Amino acid sequence: NAGVTQTPKFQVLKTGQSMTLQCAQDMNHEYMSWYRQDPGMGLRLIHYSVGAGITDQGEVPNGYNVSRSTTEDFPLRLLSAAPSQTSVYFCASSYTGQGRSGNTIYFGEGSWLTVV
Amino acid sequence: AQSVTQLGSHVSVSEGALVLLRCNYSSSVPPYLFWYVQYPNQGLQLLLKYTSAATLVKGINGFEAEFKKSETSFHLTKPSAHMSDAAEYFCAVSDVDSSYKLIFGSGTRLLVRP
Repeated sequence: NAGVTQTPKFQVLKTGQSMTLQCAQDMNHEYMSWYRQDPGMGLRLIHYSVGAGITDQGEVPNGYNVSRSTTEDFPLRLLSAAPSQTSVYFCASSYTGQGRSGNTIYFGEGSWLTVV
Repeated sequence: AQSVTQLGSHVSVSEGALVLLRCNYSSSVPPYLFWYVQYPNQGLQLLLKYTSAATLVKGINGFEAEFKKSETSFHLTKPSAHMSDAAEYFCAVSDVDSSYKLIFGSGTRLLVRP
């Protein structure tokens, strides 16, 4: 079971560089999202999507772009990396509905990003 | 806006002792509530969730949580701690009509002493 797959797992960037974190899910979930995790702050929502072609901002969107051209993929772009974007990034997916998996967010394994 | 408070950034228990991790939320309308566990350098795994069915929710690995509307709480318990329970635990909440957006607490790291 692949679930939610993120790449790369580790990345070091220089300040000002751009990069894309890839995320794919194989569960046909309608909703996808990106969170960042920082020590003592839990996870915070960056951007989310309620379906192909539809995205919206979360709590901490500045410095990030997203797009959703297909149901399966939801890449996160860092436009000009800053040290404040050093964090662990998690992609997630979910669907609404009944059943054991309904209304439950499933997370990828995380991407550790360091900006120097 | 929704918020989640987890009391205690670190909780230490002896192996075999009761585990109690506290979570309070702020919402005038009962939300959906979740507990996730994160082992070092790994992603988040769902332990259990409350989505307006039974108020006592049983999860994986022997954990359970009780939704108490009057106290706006969703504390996580386990009768007997195992060494393998050492991890970070996150409480999270979502609105019923936007379950795809989670608000997380700051996390509680559980330490289990032999």
